[in-house]
Amino acid sequence: EDKVVQSPLSLVVHEGDTVTLNCSYEVTNFRSLLWYKQEKKAPTFLFMLTSSGIEKKSGRLSSILDKKELFSILNITATQTGDSAVYLCAVVSGTYKYIFGTGTRLKVLA
Amino acid sequence: GAGVSQSPSNKVTEKGKDVELRCDPISGHTALYWYRQSLGQGLEFLIYFQGNSAPDKSGLPSDRFSAERTGGSVSTLTIQRTQQEDSAVYLCASSFGRQETQYFGPGTRLLVL
Repeated sequence: EDKVVQSPLSLVVHEGDTVTLNCSYEVTNFRSLLWYKQEKKAPTFLFMLTSSGIEKKSGRLSSILDKKELFSILNITATQTGDSAVYLCAVVSGTYKYIFGTGTRLKVLA
Repeated sequence: GAGVSQSPSNKVTEKGKDVELRCDPISGHTALYWYRQSLGQGLEFLIYFQGNSAPDKSGLPSDRFSAERTGGSVSTLTIQRTQQEDSAVYLCASSFGRQETQYFGPGTRLLVL
């Protein structure tokens, strides 16, 4: 059965800290891995990763994929209270099936 | 439109009643997805449309759930004879063709009493 596992389930840090969120997966016919940020109802897209070892960056956020070890990490440096959210990892299997993890709930304290 | 819209934003219904949830995708997006997110759970894939066709309906939880899409645009998710376990946030997303980047709507929060 396809699955995506995220860790930790929740995390509390102080502003300025650096955090690393993990996503491991076991899926058939891997196509890509995506990271989303969910603050209220609708997730917003962060990154899409398809190739191993190529880091994607957007400001203080970065992510990398390891297709050999079947995991990805999302790093957030110099965290801010606005980074508080649930971070979702999803793996695309085949052409359309999206398998989501349960997310990591991040809380950044001022 | 500028983004994916969903209606209603909230729906409270009694057990046994039917409900219809609507999704308006981003203009020009041919792919449309429905998900369900129960409290404290991850997203559960329900169904995917490419144009008006749904190649795989196996994600729908039961035969009480159905979905359609007309004109390659608006989609409706219908839940018949609602049960309390149907209570969840129902999210719709769309993407351009088969690109993996999905853009989500704000969701419909359904509460079945």
